[in-house]
Formats: sequence, structure tokens, C-alpha cells
Amino acid sequence: SQELEQSPQSLIVQEGKNLTINCTSSKTLYGLYWYKQKYGEGLIFLMMLQKGGEEKSHEKITAKLDEKKQQSSLHITASQPSHAGIYLCGADTSGTYKYIFGTGTRLKVLA
Amino acid sequence: DADVTQTPRNRITKTGKRIMLECSQTKGHDRMYWYRQDPGLGLRLIYYSFDVKDINKGEISDGYSVSRQAQAKFSLSLESAIPNQTALYFCAASQGRWDEQFFGPGTRLTVL
Repeated sequence: SQELEQSPQSLIVQEGKNLTINCTSSKTLYGLYWYKQKYGEGLIFLMMLQKGGEEKSHEKITAKLDEKKQQSSLHITASQPSHAGIYLCGADTSGTYKYIFGTGTRLKVLA
Repeated sequence: DADVTQTPRNRITKTGKRIMLECSQTKGHDRMYWYRQDPGLGLRLIYYSFDVKDINKGEISDGYSVSRQAQAKFSLSLESAIPNQTALYFCAASQGRWDEQFFGPGTRLTVL
């Protein structure tokens, strides 16, 4: 099983709707990263969370880290077609600087 | 110009062939990584390097080797390619442990 589980695996929303993507770790999180990938292309860094309770925002995207639950959530407000793509969470769960990634959440936003 | 470049962008090869994927970065970062991405499996770490003399195996290093020729260059080799190495390969670079990784555009490799 995956050490980092993302849910949902895919999501289709109407433009303007809010949505949330979750990333849950089976191990301690030493740092949690969110990336966005356009299909077949490289990853673009969104934000990094390190401390429990930390919350960061970038434009209409907000990410939170719940250290106790070993979980992070990514929330998009008023989604736009430009938000479409694959969202991946990545983390160091061993404290050894080796990063693992979730399998991704495919987001489609209907205009 | 892109901060992390990968060559080639696409490659089709045959089983048993040796192939090298190259990665260069202009950010001056010490840490470099190679990942492969497969549908349904996400990104998996193949090798990582913290400096020219420090190279470490990742989650799935069998069948792969790497060379860190300089701070800016990190190449991945498949000594004898096999079909299940067909995947999208990414190189990344970062400065410190808690810093973001900058990813290259990827190399799509097909092994027939």
C-alpha cells in the first residue's frame, strides 16, 4: 500500500466550485509538499508545510497540515479551468531526506 | 531558459540496449534526484545525490545507475533496458532539505 494516500483519485467540478484534496501518511511527516502537474509535463511547486497546524495560501489555493492526523489538505476556492491538472503531495516520512509522493489527484474543471 | 533541463525529451529503444538520460540544472543547487512516474504509482525515487561525491539509492534503484559529473549534471543510465522500464522520468534539484524541488520537463522513455 502507498505510504502517502491521496483522495480522491480524480475529481470533476464545475467552474466556480470549491474543492478539497487530501493527503494522508501512514508514517510521521517531516515535511509535506504540494505540487501541480499538467498532464505529461513537469511538476510545479505550490507550497510546503512543515509544522503541525501550519496553513499556507497562494492565490486561491490553501494547504493545511494536521500533524496529529498525519494529513494535509489542499483547498481550492472558486475553481477555474486553469486549476486543472494532477495534484501531488510529497513528503519525507523517514527523516532521511528521501522523498515519497502520492499517486496524485486528477482534477478537471468544467467551464 | 529552464532551470532544470532533461535530454532527450522522448526516446524509444529496444530491450537490451544501454541508454543514458541526462539532466542539467542552472540553479547551483547541491541536491539532485531522479524519479520515474508510472500510471497509478505516482513518482518513485530512483537515486539521489547531495553533492558530487554523495550518491544514494532510492526506492527503486535496481536496473539503474547514475553519475554526478558536476554539481550541475546528474545522468541516469539503464545498462540493459527492459520493457517494464517504460515510464516518464523526471530529474529534480533542490538546495536544502526543506527547500522545494525544481523539476525538469521529463523524459518519456519507451522500451520495446
